[in-house]
Amino acid sequence: QSALTQPPSVSGSPGQSVTISCTGTSSDVGGYNRVSWYQQPPGTAPKLMIYEVTSRPSGVPDRFSGSKSGNTASLTISGLQAEDEADYYCSSYTSSSTYVFGTGTKVTVL
Amino acid sequence: QVTLRESGPALVKPTQTLTLTCTFSGFSLSTPGMCVSWIRQPPGKALEWLARIDWDDAKYYSPSLRTRLSISKDTSKNQVVLTMTNMDPVDTGTYYCARIHVVGAPTVGFGYWGQGSLVTVSS
Repeated sequence: QSALTQPPSVSGSPGQSVTISCTGTSSDVGGYNRVSWYQQPPGTAPKLMIYEVTSRPSGVPDRFSGSKSGNTASLTISGLQAEDEADYYCSSYTSSSTYVFGTGTKVTVL
Repeated sequence: QVTLRESGPALVKPTQTLTLTCTFSGFSLSTPGMCVSWIRQPPGKALEWLARIDWDDAKYYSPSLRTRLSISKDTSKNQVVLTMTNMDPVDTGTYYCARIHVVGAPTVGFGYWGQGSLVTVSS
């Protein structure tokens, strides 16, 4: 299984919105609503931000939202804040009962 | 409160076998629907899922690393052990154990993570 494809970096000014894409195949992203997103500030463990494409765990701000179209999932951060600067990874459960992560995207707040 | 903590050697030599232990609290791996996975991250690179073990001892492995990995559990000690054979410098990285976010739903992702254990492979 190949890693899901994400843009290496995205950036935005405080208050703006940024969107990160995550492209896979019909065996992972496109096949099921099993996409999750993780935030990883430098030197820390990843944190679950979105699961099942659109659901937010308790405590995650509603500025974070997810969506999916075909084989591509997306994470949107609205009202960008300085604390949102981090690496973000998508992940999908696959048809083989395994998991695949994305290549990662660095979000920079200008 | 759910916590996980990885432990193991910080340095291993090429060709050696790595054994990592995940010690957890706040849940039991005998609970129906519970799952724990291992995930790694080379320095400056992306996350990579390695293996998963379920409450009923079902085991799943990364297709690309299947022949080198073994995962097991000791329910009485609240531990999950990962072994990886024939270590190579490219296996250098931080190794995390993680629990599923929702019990009984392994598809929804990893809601609880350990702090990670850095393993360097070098002679």
